[in-house]
Amino acid sequence: SQELEQSPQSLIVQEGKNLTINCTSSKTLYGLYWYKQKYGEGLIFLMMLQKGGEEKSHEKITAKLDEKKQQSSLHITASQPSHAGIYLCGADTSNQFYFGTGTSLTVIP
Amino acid sequence: DGGITQSPKYLFRKEGQNVTLSCEQNLNHDAMYWYRQDPGQGLRLIYYSQIVNDFQKGDIAEGYSVSREKKESFPLTVTSAQKNPTAFYLCASSINADPLGAFFGQGTRLTVV
Repeated sequence: SQELEQSPQSLIVQEGKNLTINCTSSKTLYGLYWYKQKYGEGLIFLMMLQKGGEEKSHEKITAKLDEKKQQSSLHITASQPSHAGIYLCGADTSNQFYFGTGTSLTVIP
Repeated sequence: DGGITQSPKYLFRKEGQNVTLSCEQNLNHDAMYWYRQDPGQGLRLIYYSQIVNDFQKGDIAEGYSVSREKKESFPLTVTSAQKNPTAFYLCASSINADPLGAFFGQGTRLTVV
C-alpha cells in the first residue's frame, strides 16, 4: 500500500478547463510538497504547505492543505498545454518521507 | 550556475552487466539521494547519503551500490543482481537531511536488454 495516494492517476483535459489533483494520506502530513515533472525529466518544486487550512497560489496553480492535514489538492485554472506533465506530491509524516504515485496530466489544445 | 547533473540521459546495457550512473552537484549540499521511478509507483528511495563517506540504504537498495568519496559526487551502480533494472533514475541533493526540499537532476533512463 502507498502512504500517499494520488488521484486521479491520469487526466486528459481540453485546454482552458479547470482540473483538480488530490493527494491523500492516512497519517498527519507535517509538510506537503507539490512537484511538476516534465516527461523524462527531473522534478521541479511548485509549492509547500505546512499548516492546516493553508492555501498557496502561483500563477494559475493553487494548492490547499485540509484542516486535518491529511489531504491536499492541487487545482489548475484554465489549463494550458504548458501545464502538461506529471504532478507528484511529497510529504513528511513524522520524519518519514514519502512521494505520491503521481498524476499524469495531458492538455489537449 | 549551480545545479545537479546526471549523466548520461539515456543508457542501454546488456543483461548481466553492471552499469554506473553519474550524479554531480555544485550546490555544496551535504545530502544526496537516488530514486527509482516506475510508472504508477512514484519515487522510491534507493540510497541516500547525508555526509561524505557515509550512506544509508533506502527502501529498495537490493541490487544497487553507491559511493560518496566526494561531497559533489554520488554515483549509483546498478549491479547484475538487480532483477528489473530498466527504469528512470533520479538523483537529488539537499542542503540538510530533508529529501522533500531537494533539488533534482534531469534523470537517467536505463534500459537493459
